[in-house]
Amino acid sequence: DARVTQTPRHKVTEMGQEVTMRCQPILGHNTVFWYRQTMMQGLELLAYFRNRAPLDDSGMPKDRFSAEMPDATLATLKIQPSEPRDSAVYFCASGLLGRDTGELFFGEGSRLTVL
Amino acid sequence: AQSVTQLDSHVSVSEGTPVLLRCNYSSSYSPSLFWYVQHPNKGLQLLLKYTSAATLVKGINGFEAEFKKSETSFHLTKPSAHMSDAAEYFCVVSPRGPYNDMRFGAGTRLTVKP
Repeated sequence: DARVTQTPRHKVTEMGQEVTMRCQPILGHNTVFWYRQTMMQGLELLAYFRNRAPLDDSGMPKDRFSAEMPDATLATLKIQPSEPRDSAVYFCASGLLGRDTGELFFGEGSRLTVL
Repeated sequence: AQSVTQLDSHVSVSEGTPVLLRCNYSSSYSPSLFWYVQHPNKGLQLLLKYTSAATLVKGINGFEAEFKKSETSFHLTKPSAHMSDAAEYFCVVSPRGPYNDMRFGAGTRLTVKP
């Protein structure tokens, strides 16, 4: 059963520490999105990639966030240094442009708590 | 510029009664539109999508939505609510077709009373 896998599922860290979240998109999917969900802001688009190239990362705080796709099977979202306001659930989602379905398949999220 | 507005943050219905969750969008192009559902502490699941084919779209679990360009709306409906429908619902707009800058609305929490 193909699915998007995110790790870690839960992370508690202290302010100032580096945090790396990983996402394995569904094999063969060529588009990957990162979203952040908080009670106050809802689901915010942070960045997305197509064929591993970043298309838009305007939703990310550039000074501390970075997103990459080292290869087609791995997407990473890094926060350095982390701050309490980064506490949220981070979702990765993937899809295949070309089938024209538009459906995004979501991982179960990485819940980050920054103390 | 494009955006999506969900007109109700919370909707409460009784089991067996109709559901209406409202969504309006703004887009300079012909967008793709979606409804996703999120059950508590779960990820998101696609309910239905509009990608410039039929304007009345049927989805899973008895939900459907109608794309009305003149009203820039994409409201989600279901004839009869079930307890298992209680969840958060998100309207999503993707300008210029699917997988382009897909933005979520603020969400509507649906409560279903017995």
